[in-house]
Amino acid sequence: SQQGEEDPQALSIQEGENATMNCSYKTSINNLQWYRQNSGRGLVHLILIRSNEREKHSGRLRVTLDTSKKSSSLLITASRAADTASYFCAVGGRYGNKLVFGAGTILRVKS
Amino acid sequence: AAGVIQSPRHLIKEKRETATLKCYPIPRHDTVYWYQQGPGQDPQFLISFYEKMQSDKGSIPDRFSAQQFSDYHSELNMSSLELGDSALYFCASSSLDRRVSTDTQYFGPGTRLTVL
Repeated sequence: SQQGEEDPQALSIQEGENATMNCSYKTSINNLQWYRQNSGRGLVHLILIRSNEREKHSGRLRVTLDTSKKSSSLLITASRAADTASYFCAVGGRYGNKLVFGAGTILRVKS
Repeated sequence: AAGVIQSPRHLIKEKRETATLKCYPIPRHDTVYWYQQGPGQDPQFLISFYEKMQSDKGSIPDRFSAQQFSDYHSELNMSSLELGDSALYFCASSSLDRRVSTDTQYFGPGTRLTVL
Protein backbone atom coordinates (compact mmCIF):
# COMPACT_ATOMS: atom_id res chain seq x y z
CA SER A 1 0.00 0.00 0.00
CA GLN A 2 1.14 3.53 -0.73
CA GLN A 3 0.13 5.13 2.47
CA GLY A 4 0.46 2.89 5.44
CA GLU A 5 -1.00 0.01 7.28
CA GLU A 6 -4.45 -1.06 8.24
CA ASP A 7 -4.77 -3.09 11.35
CA PRO A 8 -5.82 -5.82 11.62
CA GLN A 9 -5.50 -7.32 8.15
CA ALA A 10 -8.36 -9.68 8.95
CA LEU A 11 -10.96 -9.77 11.72
CA SER A 12 -13.49 -12.47 12.51
CA ILE A 13 -16.25 -11.79 15.05
CA GLN A 14 -19.67 -13.02 16.09
CA GLU A 15 -22.83 -11.21 15.12
CA GLY A 16 -23.70 -8.57 17.71
CA GLU A 17 -20.09 -7.86 18.66
CA ASN A 18 -18.28 -4.64 17.88
CA ALA A 19 -15.56 -4.44 15.24
CA THR A 20 -12.70 -1.95 15.35
CA MET A 21 -10.37 -1.29 12.45
CA ASN A 22 -7.39 1.02 12.52
CA CYS A 23 -5.65 2.95 9.79
CA SER A 24 -2.36 4.82 9.80
CA TYR A 25 -1.11 7.18 7.16
CA LYS A 26 2.08 9.01 6.31
CA THR A 27 1.23 12.37 4.74
CA SER A 28 -0.69 15.48 5.77
CA ILE A 29 -4.33 15.23 4.80
CA ASN A 30 -7.41 17.28 4.04
CA ASN A 31 -9.79 14.45 4.89
CA LEU A 32 -9.98 10.73 5.50
CA GLN A 33 -12.70 8.53 4.05
CA TRP A 34 -13.79 4.97 4.83
CA TYR A 35 -15.15 2.62 2.18
CA ARG A 36 -16.64 -0.88 2.19
CA GLN A 37 -16.13 -3.38 -0.60
CA ASN A 38 -17.93 -6.67 -0.93
CA SER A 39 -15.87 -9.38 -2.61
CA GLY A 40 -14.50 -7.78 -5.77
CA ARG A 41 -17.42 -5.43 -6.22
CA GLY A 42 -17.79 -1.65 -6.01
CA LEU A 43 -16.53 0.61 -3.24
CA VAL A 44 -19.32 1.97 -1.08
CA HIS A 45 -18.63 5.25 0.71
CA LEU A 46 -19.25 5.03 4.46
CA ILE A 47 -18.07 8.24 6.05
CA LEU A 48 -15.77 11.23 5.55
CA ILE A 49 -13.97 12.96 8.39
CA ARG A 50 -12.15 16.22 7.82
CA SER A 51 -8.71 16.96 9.20
CA ASN A 52 -10.10 19.44 11.75
CA GLU A 53 -12.61 16.91 13.11
CA ARG A 54 -11.84 14.34 15.79
CA GLU A 55 -14.90 12.11 15.78
CA LYS A 56 -17.88 11.44 13.57
CA HIS A 57 -20.90 9.15 13.79
CA SER A 58 -23.19 7.67 11.18
CA GLY A 59 -25.69 5.07 12.32
CA ARG A 60 -23.70 2.13 13.74
CA LEU A 61 -20.42 3.64 12.55
CA ARG A 62 -18.06 5.74 14.62
CA VAL A 63 -14.88 7.17 13.15
CA THR A 64 -12.10 8.90 15.03
CA LEU A 65 -9.16 10.81 13.65
CA ASP A 66 -5.92 11.68 15.44
CA THR A 67 -3.83 13.86 13.15
CA SER A 68 -0.97 14.06 15.66
CA LYS A 69 -0.58 10.29 15.43
CA LYS A 70 -1.63 10.15 11.77
CA SER A 71 -4.19 7.49 12.54
CA SER A 72 -7.90 6.80 12.31
CA SER A 73 -10.22 4.10 13.59
CA LEU A 74 -13.56 2.78 12.39
CA LEU A 75 -15.88 1.19 14.93
CA ILE A 76 -18.88 -0.82 13.78
CA THR A 77 -21.23 -1.51 16.67
CA ALA A 78 -23.65 -4.44 16.94
CA SER A 79 -22.23 -6.07 13.83
CA ARG A 80 -24.38 -8.07 11.42
CA ALA A 81 -23.55 -10.81 8.95
CA ALA A 82 -24.22 -8.28 6.17
CA ASP A 83 -21.25 -6.23 7.44
CA THR A 84 -18.92 -8.94 6.13
CA ALA A 85 -16.71 -7.12 3.62
CA SER A 86 -13.33 -5.47 3.14
CA TYR A 87 -12.97 -2.04 4.69
CA PHE A 88 -10.56 0.54 3.31
CA CYS A 89 -9.46 3.88 4.63
CA ALA A 90 -8.37 6.48 2.10
CA VAL A 91 -6.71 9.81 2.72
CA GLY A 92 -7.59 12.77 0.55
CA GLY A 93 -5.86 15.99 -0.26
CA ARG A 94 -7.45 19.10 -1.64
CA TYR A 95 -10.40 18.94 -3.97
CA GLY A 96 -9.81 17.14 -7.25
CA ASN A 97 -6.83 15.26 -5.91
CA LYS A 98 -6.46 11.56 -5.48
CA LEU A 99 -7.43 9.31 -2.63
CA VAL A 100 -4.60 7.15 -1.33
CA PHE A 101 -5.91 3.88 0.01
CA GLY A 102 -4.70 1.67 2.81
CA ALA A 103 -4.36 -2.08 2.38
CA GLY A 104 -7.76 -2.83 3.86
CA THR A 105 -9.18 -4.97 6.64
CA ILE A 106 -11.18 -8.08 5.80
CA LEU A 107 -14.06 -8.35 8.26
CA ARG A 108 -16.03 -11.54 8.66
CA VAL A 109 -19.13 -11.52 10.86
CA LYS A 110 -20.36 -14.97 11.76
CA SER A 111 -24.04 -15.56 12.42
CA ALA B 1 -30.42 8.24 -6.18
CA ALA B 2 -28.39 8.18 -9.37
CA GLY B 3 -24.98 6.56 -9.12
CA VAL B 4 -21.84 6.47 -11.20
CA ILE B 5 -22.29 4.36 -14.30
CA GLN B 6 -19.46 2.42 -15.86
CA SER B 7 -19.45 0.45 -19.07
CA PRO B 8 -18.75 -2.21 -19.95
CA ARG B 9 -18.94 -4.12 -16.67
CA HIS B 10 -16.75 -6.92 -17.99
CA LEU B 11 -14.22 -6.89 -20.80
CA ILE B 12 -11.96 -9.60 -22.16
CA LYS B 13 -9.11 -8.65 -24.44
CA GLU B 14 -6.03 -10.25 -25.93
CA LYS B 15 -2.50 -9.00 -25.32
CA ARG B 16 -1.57 -5.99 -27.43
CA GLU B 17 -5.21 -5.09 -28.08
CA THR B 18 -6.84 -1.80 -27.08
CA ALA B 19 -9.71 -1.15 -24.70
CA THR B 20 -11.94 1.82 -23.93
CA LEU B 21 -13.68 2.14 -20.59
CA LYS B 22 -16.47 4.65 -20.10
CA CYS B 23 -17.66 6.47 -17.01
CA TYR B 24 -20.79 8.55 -16.51
CA PRO B 25 -20.61 10.59 -13.29
CA ILE B 26 -23.43 11.38 -10.94
CA PRO B 27 -25.47 14.29 -12.37
CA ARG B 28 -24.01 17.70 -11.46
CA HIS B 29 -20.69 16.18 -10.43
CA ASP B 30 -17.84 17.97 -12.18
CA THR B 31 -14.86 15.81 -11.21
CA VAL B 32 -14.04 12.30 -12.33
CA TYR B 33 -11.35 9.97 -10.98
CA TRP B 34 -9.98 6.68 -12.32
CA TYR B 35 -8.53 3.93 -10.10
CA GLN B 36 -7.09 0.49 -10.80
CA GLN B 37 -7.44 -2.39 -8.33
CA GLY B 38 -5.42 -5.53 -8.90
CA PRO B 39 -6.44 -8.86 -7.32
CA GLY B 40 -6.18 -8.68 -3.55
CA GLN B 41 -4.81 -5.14 -3.66
CA ASP B 42 -6.03 -1.72 -2.67
CA PRO B 43 -7.20 0.72 -5.37
CA GLN B 44 -4.44 2.75 -7.00
CA PHE B 45 -5.13 6.20 -8.39
CA LEU B 46 -4.58 6.71 -12.11
CA ILE B 47 -5.85 10.15 -13.13
CA SER B 48 -8.55 12.74 -12.44
CA PHE B 49 -10.33 15.52 -14.32
CA TYR B 50 -12.08 18.66 -13.11
CA GLU B 51 -14.17 20.61 -15.60
CA LYS B 52 -12.58 18.65 -18.47
CA MET B 53 -9.04 19.52 -17.42
CA GLN B 54 -6.63 17.03 -15.84
CA SER B 55 -6.47 17.82 -12.14
CA ASP B 56 -4.16 15.12 -10.77
CA LYS B 57 -2.11 12.28 -12.13
CA GLY B 58 -0.94 9.08 -10.51
CA SER B 59 0.84 5.98 -11.71
CA ILE B 60 -0.87 5.80 -15.07
CA PRO B 61 1.17 4.03 -17.76
CA ASP B 62 2.02 5.96 -20.92
CA ARG B 63 -0.04 3.35 -22.81
CA PHE B 64 -3.14 4.70 -21.10
CA SER B 65 -4.86 7.99 -21.80
CA ALA B 66 -8.05 9.54 -20.56
CA GLN B 67 -10.23 12.54 -21.10
CA GLN B 68 -13.39 14.17 -19.82
CA PHE B 69 -15.96 15.36 -22.34
CA SER B 70 -18.29 18.36 -22.40
CA ASP B 71 -21.12 16.29 -20.86
CA TYR B 72 -18.68 15.35 -18.04
CA HIS B 73 -18.46 11.69 -18.96
CA SER B 74 -14.96 10.29 -19.13
CA GLU B 75 -13.20 7.60 -21.11
CA LEU B 76 -10.06 5.65 -20.26
CA ASN B 77 -8.24 4.39 -23.32
CA MET B 78 -5.78 1.56 -22.89
CA SER B 79 -3.49 0.42 -25.68
CA SER B 80 -0.96 -2.40 -26.13
CA LEU B 81 -2.64 -4.30 -23.32
CA GLU B 82 -0.47 -6.50 -21.11
CA LEU B 83 -1.38 -9.40 -18.86
CA GLY B 84 -0.64 -7.20 -15.86
CA ASP B 85 -3.37 -4.77 -16.88
CA SER B 86 -5.97 -7.33 -15.77
CA ALA B 87 -7.75 -5.60 -12.90
CA LEU B 88 -10.88 -3.86 -11.72
CA TYR B 89 -11.05 -0.31 -13.02
CA PHE B 90 -13.12 2.09 -10.98
CA CYS B 91 -14.40 5.48 -11.84
CA ALA B 92 -15.45 7.86 -9.09
CA SER B 93 -17.12 11.24 -9.25
CA SER B 94 -17.49 14.15 -6.87
CA SER B 95 -18.54 17.72 -6.52
CA LEU B 96 -16.91 20.25 -4.26
CA ASP B 97 -18.58 21.10 -0.96
CA ARG B 98 -17.46 24.72 -0.94
CA ARG B 99 -18.45 25.18 2.69
CA VAL B 100 -15.63 22.91 3.79
CA SER B 101 -13.47 22.54 0.66
CA THR B 102 -13.73 18.78 0.59
CA ASP B 103 -15.36 16.25 -1.65
CA THR B 104 -16.69 12.77 -1.18
CA GLN B 105 -15.75 10.46 -4.01
CA TYR B 106 -18.56 8.13 -5.07
CA PHE B 107 -17.42 5.03 -6.88
CA GLY B 108 -19.01 3.19 -9.75
CA PRO B 109 -19.39 -0.61 -9.86
CA GLY B 110 -16.17 -1.01 -11.81
CA THR B 111 -15.13 -2.60 -15.08
CA ARG B 112 -13.42 -5.96 -14.75
CA LEU B 113 -10.77 -6.18 -17.47
CA THR B 114 -9.21 -9.53 -18.24
CA VAL B 115 -6.26 -9.64 -20.62
CA LEU B 116 -5.49 -13.07 -22.07
